[in-house]
Amino acid sequence: KAGVTQTPRYLIKTRGQQVTLSCSPISGHRSVSWYQQTPGQGLQFLFEYFSETQRNKGNFPGRFSGRQFSNSRSEMNVSTLELGDSALYLCASSAGELGRTDTQYFGPGTRLTVL
Amino acid sequence: ILNVEQSPQSLHVQEGDSTNFTCSFPSSNFYALHWYRWETAKSPEALFVMTLNGDEKKKGRISATLNTKEGYSYLYIKGSQPEDSATYLCATRTSYGKLTFGQGTILTVHP
Repeated sequence: KAGVTQTPRYLIKTRGQQVTLSCSPISGHRSVSWYQQTPGQGLQFLFEYFSETQRNKGNFPGRFSGRQFSNSRSEMNVSTLELGDSALYLCASSAGELGRTDTQYFGPGTRLTVL
Repeated sequence: ILNVEQSPQSLHVQEGDSTNFTCSFPSSNFYALHWYRWETAKSPEALFVMTLNGDEKKKGRISATLNTKEGYSYLYIKGSQPEDSATYLCATRTSYGKLTFGQGTILTVHP
């Protein structure tokens, strides 16, 4: 089975722009979560989707949004980019409805640099 | 404890040493605890998921225990090898569903 894939792997944007990141979960997985990793903050939870519905949301401003499609693929969007949005964005998928003990499988991440 | 805390932040051991590190978390609304291993340039890899007080899990030379009443989990590595060098992350899931990660323990095993 193919693992979790994320595109693009690297991205450079300038302040004020917006960006869309994509995540394709493992085939058959219905739950997708997004995380931001920065050196000072560690892994911070962004959102969690199950069957196209957002189940949980982390403490991030409204500039961060996401969605999940009927094929379980997910996108996250960041509008009006700020320098502090430079980070590694990780996506993880799991088989069932998250909130239980499902193992999450992580993708390789998208490294976003905001100049 | 208000957040998930891991100690130590980093650890250097010699090949063959056994080592352990700690994950502390709020015991209220606890639902599950996850341990992950994150090697440089790779994706985080799940090690264990534990839910019950007193749970013990083992995978090869790595094992973990859970105490939900006092809010801590220990991860043990027996006979560390250089390939065990990685960041070890713990994360808790509350009954409300949110998953919260600790800052991680960076383990370096010297040959």
